[in-house]
Amino acid sequence: DTAVSQTPKYLVTQMGNDKSIKCEQNLGHDTMYWYKQDSKKFLKIMFSYNNKELIINETVPNRFSPKSPDKAHLNLHINSLELGDSAVYFCASSQVKRISYNEQFFGPGTRLTVL
Amino acid sequence: AQKITQTQPGMFVQEKEAVTLDCTYDTSDPSYGLFWYKQPSSGEMIFLIYQGSYDQQNATEGRYSLNFQKARKSANLVISASQLGDSAMYFCAMTFMNTGFQKLVFGTGTRLLVSP
Repeated sequence: DTAVSQTPKYLVTQMGNDKSIKCEQNLGHDTMYWYKQDSKKFLKIMFSYNNKELIINETVPNRFSPKSPDKAHLNLHINSLELGDSAVYFCASSQVKRISYNEQFFGPGTRLTVL
Repeated sequence: AQKITQTQPGMFVQEKEAVTLDCTYDTSDPSYGLFWYKQPSSGEMIFLIYQGSYDQQNATEGRYSLNFQKARKSANLVISASQLGDSAMYFCAMTFMNTGFQKLVFGTGTRLLVSP
C-alpha cells in the first residue's frame, strides 16, 4: 500500500501556464509538507500544514498556493510558471510522537519541467 | 542561524567495507533532532536513522549507525559492510526546537558510490 502518493510523477509545461500537483497520505498523519529539490539536489521546505492549517510558509512566491481540503490531502497549485520553478517537488507527512522526532515520510516526487 | 554542512560531495567505497559520511551542524537550540535520509537514483527519499540531541547512546539501525559527538556538533553516518545497493545520495537533516520541530532542514548531501 502506498503511504504518500503524488500525481503526476512528471509534469512538462510551458512558461506562464498554471499547474497543480496532488498529494495524498494514508498514514493517518496530522502534518503534511511540500519540499522543493533543485537541480543541485538541495532540498528546502516550502509549506507545512497541520490538520488543514498552514503552519509554515517559507518565503515562497505567492504564485505557489497550497491547499489542504482535509488532513490526508495537500495539493500545490502554481500560477504563471517560470523557468526557475523547474525542480522535483516532494510531498511528505509526519506525526510527531515525541519531542524532536519528526520522521517524515516522503512521496515519490513530481519532476516539473518548465519550457 | 541553523546550518548543516556535509563537506564530502562524493565518496567511494568498495563493497563490504565500512564508510563514514560526515555531517556537522551549527545551532544554539538546546534541543534538536538529527536524521539521515537516503535518495537512490530512482528519486525517493528513504529515512535511515534518527538521533535526539539528548539521547545518551548513539543510534543504530541494522548496518547504519550514527556517530553523534555533541560537543563537536557532528552526526556522522557510518555504514558497515557496504553493498552495491547503498550507492545513492545521503542527506543529513535536522529539526529544531525554535521551529517547533516542524520542518526538516537538509544538508547539501553526499553522493556515495559503492564499487564491486
